[in-house]
Amino acid sequence: SQQGEEDPQALSIQEGENATMNCSYKTSINNLQWYRQNSGRGLVHLILIRSNEREKHSGRLRVTLDTSKKSSSLLITASRAADTASYFCATAGAGSYQLTFGKGTKLSVIP
Amino acid sequence: DAGVIQSPRHEVTEMGQEVTLRCKPISGHNSLFWYRQTMMRGLELLIYFNNNVPIDDSGMPEDRFSAKMPNASFSTLKIQPSEPRDSAVYFCASSFLAGGATNYGYTFGSGTRLTVV
Repeated sequence: SQQGEEDPQALSIQEGENATMNCSYKTSINNLQWYRQNSGRGLVHLILIRSNEREKHSGRLRVTLDTSKKSSSLLITASRAADTASYFCATAGAGSYQLTFGKGTKLSVIP
Repeated sequence: DAGVIQSPRHEVTEMGQEVTLRCKPISGHNSLFWYRQTMMRGLELLIYFNNNVPIDDSGMPEDRFSAKMPNASFSTLKIQPSEPRDSAVYFCASSFLAGGATNYGYTFGSGTRLTVV
């Protein structure tokens, strides 16, 4: 079953704009991860944020985590056409092997 | 490292036939996962292996599905007999789990798109 729920389901922006995607989850977590999936390809791991972290950066990506609200956001700054993909959040429970994925946000970046 | 390698990339088969999907995980990873992705249900975990041993197969939909991991560098997912509702993209992923907990990202293969007609 999906624990993470991404919002919005779809997002369309112009190249150069920032894109923000949100993820909400229900139970306590050890860490939360974001993945990208290009059409017809496998998922690619982008970033992992642990439950004791509030913010993490990687290049043009910024992830925040609010465990009190059970939510996370992924910000892609200065978007490019190549960022067009589906983005998934995935949660790992404390001491659990299982990574549970949401249904994703489909991002379209228009050149 | 070439990443997680899956074969075949595409498989079209007739209902009732046996289908075997293959996966080579990343060397050094101790855990392997099989997922199924459909538009309706998203990504579903089918089975999880740790150190080549199946730990949780509760996601396997029916007895028609079976998975093996004979060694650290190879796994198979078999469907026998296949049905049209098995049509989906099947992904294999590997990772390193310490103490059975997910503390690192997963590396996914490119998937096998299965169509059962």
